[in-house]
Amino acid sequence: AQSVTQLGSHVSVSEGALVLLRCNYSSSVPPYLFWYVQYPNQGLQLLLKYTSAATLVKGINGFEAEFKKSETSFHLTKPSAHMSDAAEYFCAVSGANTGNQFYFGTGTSLTVIP
Amino acid sequence: NAGVTQTPKFRVLKTGQSMTLLCAQDMNHEYMYWYRQDPGMGLRLIHYSVGEGTTAKGEVPDGYNVSRLKKQNFLLGLESAAPSQTSVYFCASSSRDRASDTQYFGPGTRLTVL
Repeated sequence: AQSVTQLGSHVSVSEGALVLLRCNYSSSVPPYLFWYVQYPNQGLQLLLKYTSAATLVKGINGFEAEFKKSETSFHLTKPSAHMSDAAEYFCAVSGANTGNQFYFGTGTSLTVIP
Repeated sequence: NAGVTQTPKFRVLKTGQSMTLLCAQDMNHEYMYWYRQDPGMGLRLIHYSVGEGTTAKGEVPDGYNVSRLKKQNFLLGLESAAPSQTSVYFCASSSRDRASDTQYFGPGTRLTVL
């Protein structure tokens, strides 16, 4: 079975501070992991994905995530938050045994304080 | 290249009414998906399709029907709408490599059932 847990439904950071959004996964097979971002009243946009190549994945807008098998984690980070980063962030997992299904976390709403 | 488009963007229904949501993609993708997004629950898969003429149930299929008569279109139907179906509906598509491939999302349809 596949699932993801996003710790913290709301995260607030000051502009210029480190962004850390947490995602832990549960998977019975090697997973594929994704981070999506959703801006207000828009659809989801892919930030980055892990597909068993490099464990440190770089995405758009300065975000990156590190796949840690020992911790079953795929946390999203950005060194310096910008006001435009305020959005909802979703972690998702899929795997060879899930068919076409992605399993999404419940989302983390990021607020950036000026 | 419009990507994934959804029609309509907003809709208000009365309990018991029916409606069809249209999803169209111009990326020649084989796979298409319908999700619903509810507060605190992330995205949940309703139905999906692995190709023209095929459909399959996802995590929350009850009360919905789908059809994929053309490769580029995926329709979601509500035969008798209920207030519990008030949600934001997202369509997505992906190419043939299923588990590791990116899903591309439409902008969503906000449905209210009174």
